[in-house]
Amino acid sequence: DAKTTQPPSMDCAEGRAANLPCNHSTISGNEYVYWYRQIHSQGPQYIIHGLKNNETNEMASLIITEDRKSSTLILPHATLRDTAVYYCIVSDYMEYGNKLVFGAGTILRVKS
Amino acid sequence: EAEVAQSPRYKITEKSQAVAFWCDPISGHATLYWYRQILGQGPELLVQFQDESVVDDSQLPKDRFSAERLKGVDSTLKIQPAELGDSAMYLCASSRDFQETQYFGPGTRLLVL
Repeated sequence: DAKTTQPPSMDCAEGRAANLPCNHSTISGNEYVYWYRQIHSQGPQYIIHGLKNNETNEMASLIITEDRKSSTLILPHATLRDTAVYYCIVSDYMEYGNKLVFGAGTILRVKS
Repeated sequence: EAEVAQSPRYKITEKSQAVAFWCDPISGHATLYWYRQILGQGPELLVQFQDESVVDDSQLPKDRFSAERLKGVDSTLKIQPAELGDSAMYLCASSRDFQETQYFGPGTRLLVL
């Protein structure tokens, strides 16, 4: 089962920041938080990941609370092309790797 | 930017027929994954390869599904015989090594009639 809880859907105005929350209260010390998104009929696209510290790349910023029990993905200036399902995943480190268990995600609708 | 390639993109078949999907991971990626995504749900891992070896196939329905990665590069996922419930998107992903970030291909959408 997925270890994260996300709202089923959110709306955002074009040009505004989109803030997508994720709860992962049972995360353990060596587990990373990953974010992927999936635009309709395409494969999931990697966005960003982090362990403890906040992270930023060309796509987004990831803010992780100090207790690591929740995080927020920030798309600073949302466009219509950012409309997608966003998955927050806590990676389950197995003997042979980084198992991603996807939940239902958050449907983000960016509106003009 | 290197990408994971998959073919075909779409496949329609009749139940009891055999189907096969092909995946070419990003060059140099040692770890390859096959996922299945049922409409309205998130992807679910079916099988994971490290080079040519299967390291996790716990969720693969082995009575009808098989996967191989003979030379540790590209991979084939086969279903025989296909059932109506196999209609889904089949996604391939790869990573440089087993604890690295996974990158997904565009998927193969299968419809079983």
